[in-house]
Amino acid sequence: SQTIHQWPATLVQPVGSPLSLECTVEGTSNPNLYWYRQAAGRGLQLLFYSVGIGQISSEVPQNLSASRPQDRQFILSSKKLLLSDSGFYLCAWSVLGRNEKLFFGSGTQLSVL
Amino acid sequence: DQQVKQNSPSLSVQEGRISILNCDYTNSMFDYFLWYKKYPAEGPTFLISISSIKDKNEDGRFTVFLNKSAKHLSLHIVPSQPGDSAVYFCAASAVSNTGKLIFGQGTTLQVKP
Repeated sequence: SQTIHQWPATLVQPVGSPLSLECTVEGTSNPNLYWYRQAAGRGLQLLFYSVGIGQISSEVPQNLSASRPQDRQFILSSKKLLLSDSGFYLCAWSVLGRNEKLFFGSGTQLSVL
Repeated sequence: DQQVKQNSPSLSVQEGRISILNCDYTNSMFDYFLWYKKYPAEGPTFLISISSIKDKNEDGRFTVFLNKSAKHLSLHIVPSQPGDSAVYFCAASAVSNTGKLIFGQGTTLQVKP
């Protein structure tokens, strides 16, 4: 069966510090991978998605970047965090083709202070 | 531009009664709709979906209705149970958008015993 791992669960970082969130998927090959963010009182906003190694599409301009160094690994990064980067970050995967049915990780609650 | 809207931030229902969660969308190209359920500090989990060629889909206690002319869908939970208390997200996708999901803001459902 497929599983998705996301860590850490909680992170408190000072403004201006770097960020690295990691997500890995097991039990499937060549998944589509996604990073979503839920800000307080907001819906889930798609940040990045990837259809293959090294292929990253950004949905909104922001202070974040994403990388996919391996087929089942997806990394969310920032060089300098802003207060507005606080939120609940979710990694997700889907199978090729119609990608609607996403499988989400457990999320990372990021607080930038 | 909020393409998927859930105008009710919260809903409280007595156990055993019906819960009705609503969702409106603006993009007529959306052709697939989903509902996700999210508990605190966890990632969302897929609940039920409906294609635009249907107007109703039922799965146990959960039924989703789609009204394309009104660009409106709703999730009915009958009978409601305390374990249904969670945040419910409506999401939509279009084949022309490579299946990427657009989420609503979410509705927090509280089912009282």
